[in-house]
Amino acid sequence: LAKTTQPISMDSYEGQEVNITCSHNNIATNDYITWYQQFPSQGPRFIIQGYKTKVTNEVASLFIPADRKSSTLSLPRVSLSDTAVYYCLMVLYNQGGKLIFGQGTELSVKP
Amino acid sequence: DVKVTQSSRYLVKRTGEKVFLECVQDMDHENMFWYRQDPGLGLRLIYFSYDVKMKEKGDIPEGYSVSREKKERFSLILESASTNQTSMYLCASSLRQGAGGTEAFFGQGTRLTVV
Repeated sequence: LAKTTQPISMDSYEGQEVNITCSHNNIATNDYITWYQQFPSQGPRFIIQGYKTKVTNEVASLFIPADRKSSTLSLPRVSLSDTAVYYCLMVLYNQGGKLIFGQGTELSVKP
Repeated sequence: DVKVTQSSRYLVKRTGEKVFLECVQDMDHENMFWYRQDPGLGLRLIYFSYDVKMKEKGDIPEGYSVSREKKERFSLILESASTNQTSMYLCASSLRQGAGGTEAFFGQGTRLTVV
């Protein structure tokens, strides 16, 4: 069963770097790791996706170790507007791209 | 601009009614999904469709059915609505998984209340 585990909640302050770690022990060879962000009353929004090592875009970085059993989303210098729920999930390659979400991490950024 | 549109933002239905939630995407995506979201439970997959007329059960299909007669439209049907189906329903679409991964796009959600 494709399952991800991540902390339920995290607190941070403006300007800090935030790292959210997710475990996915049963990830399959061709599965990708993807992170989504969700604000209240909105659908989730894609942040970043990776397969291994490090991926960086204008919003975040994603670190994936060689064994791929975990991943870490890094948000540099967070602001109040980064307060949201962050979901780690696997894109199941052998099931045509099926997406299974976990419970997500509720990030609260304080001034 | 890519778009996934859900037919209603808010819906109130009576117990026992048959309820249709409609979702349309304009990106020619093969995959479409229906999730429900409840406090503390995250998003749970109800049904997944990878092609017209093709569907797979997700984690919580009981009490629901789906229809995909056209590529752009994916309907969720509550055969006989019950109060425990009061929830936020989210539709999404994506390209069929290929090398390089794929991004899913979500609609704004339908908040369904069954009374």
